[in-house]
Amino acid sequence: DQQVKQNSPSLSVQEGRISILNCDYTNSMFDYFLWYKKYPAEGPTFLISISSIKDKNEDGRFTVFLNKSAKHLSLHIVPSQPGDSAVYFCAASYSGGSNYKLTFGKGTLLTVNP
Amino acid sequence: GAVVSQHPSWVICKSGTSVKIECRSLDFQATTMFWYRQFPKQSLMLMATSNEGSKATYEQGVEKDKFLINHASLTLSTLTVTSAHPEDSSFYICSARNSDRGGNQPQHFGDGTRLSIL
Repeated sequence: DQQVKQNSPSLSVQEGRISILNCDYTNSMFDYFLWYKKYPAEGPTFLISISSIKDKNEDGRFTVFLNKSAKHLSLHIVPSQPGDSAVYFCAASYSGGSNYKLTFGKGTLLTVNP
Repeated sequence: GAVVSQHPSWVICKSGTSVKIECRSLDFQATTMFWYRQFPKQSLMLMATSNEGSKATYEQGVEKDKFLINHASLTLSTLTVTSAHPEDSSFYICSARNSDRGGNQPQHFGDGTRLSIL
């Protein structure tokens, strides 16, 4: 049973436009959500997170939106740059769980075309 | 800040060899570290949670005797793949959580170890 789902395996956008990556979750206990960026043969790099008490968090070009009623979150990248091309993983955890384990989605490959 | 170093980055060895992978938090203390495995074009699969000074907690289906974890200090966890076979070939990644901070916070990842068993 996949508790965190990224239904789009890939996304292609033009440089300068907005990239929107989506993530759905099924476990209503999740209260902390994160986005990671990953290049091949490297470990994931933390991008941005959001707590369930908020519905939006912004950091530079990156904004994460959380819709708890829909169990949906999204990452917006504006403007997109070629260097943003990577696999993006959505992850979730709950503070009541053991050791703050993260559950990951399968990732979305973002390609930003010059 | 929040740098996690993983070593080695790439290992090629013969079947039957045991391989040790180190994970270090360089600028923070981590009472909890995590070990993941990633197959090609797949998500990160949590193998075990490494707890400083105590036994690791393994996920269902992960063999404890196959994947030995030691977390002897607040900055170092090791994963030993014992008697490795070709099916153990994979990308292994560790992460660490800053134990100086409470509450929700991100895990920070090492750059991974590519293990190839011949």
